[in-house]
Amino acid sequence: NAGVTQTPKFQVLKTGQSMTLQCAQDMNHNSMYWYRQDPGMGLRLIYYSASEGTTDKGEVPNGYNVSRLNKREFSLRLESAAPSQTSVYFCASNTGPNTGELFFGEGSRLTVL
Amino acid sequence: AQKITQTQPGMFVQEKEAVTLDCTYDTSDPSYGLFWYKQPSSGEMIFLIYQGSYDQQNATEGRYSLNFQKARKSANLVISASQLGDSAMYFCAMSRSNDYKLSFGAGTTVTVRA
Repeated sequence: NAGVTQTPKFQVLKTGQSMTLQCAQDMNHNSMYWYRQDPGMGLRLIYYSASEGTTDKGEVPNGYNVSRLNKREFSLRLESAAPSQTSVYFCASNTGPNTGELFFGEGSRLTVL
Repeated sequence: AQKITQTQPGMFVQEKEAVTLDCTYDTSDPSYGLFWYKQPSSGEMIFLIYQGSYDQQNATEGRYSLNFQKARKSANLVISASQLGDSAMYFCAMSRSNDYKLSFGAGTTVTVRA
C-alpha cells in the first residue's frame, strides 16, 4: 500500500544550495502535483503535471523547477534555496481534473537557513 | 480565480458533541467539486468527503457530512459525536471542471476536549 511516496522526509539546506524532492506513485495516476504548506495559508500549488510529458505552473512556481520523469515519478527541484522556501512540501496525484480526491504523500519538511 | 475561505482559525468542541466547520467558496464555473481534508498533528493529509456541484443530496461519510448550500456558495463540514482523535487541522478545497488545480482554504484547527 505505498500510494504516494516522497523523499526525503526532512532536509536542512543553507541559502543558495540546491536539492531535489522526489515523488513516486504506484496508483497509475495520470496527474501529479507539488504543493507547499505554510502556516495560515493552507496548501498552495507550485507545479503540476496533467499527464506524462507535460508540466505547468501553479500558483507559486518561482524558484522551483519540476520534471515528470515518467508516469510514476514527478520531482521538484530548488536550484538556489532561499529562506522563503522553508515549508512543508506535499506531492499528490489523481487520475485527472475534478475526478475526485487527491492522494497525498506524507510531506517533506524543508528548512533553509 | 477561485477562492476558498475558512473564517474559523480554531475551534474547541466537547467530546461527543457535534461541530460545524465553515467554508465558503467563490467561483463562476457551474461545475466544480468540493473536498474536505483532515491533517492530524502527524502531518499527513486525509481525505474525508467530496461534494459535486450537481449532486442533489448532501454528501455523508460516517460521522462526516457536508452541508452544501449552493446559492450561498457554502460547503460546511459537520462532524457528529466528536472524538479525541478528531483533533486536527481541517481544510476545505475546491476544484473546477477540467481544471487541475485543487485550491485550499487556510484551514481550521479543531481541538476536542474530554
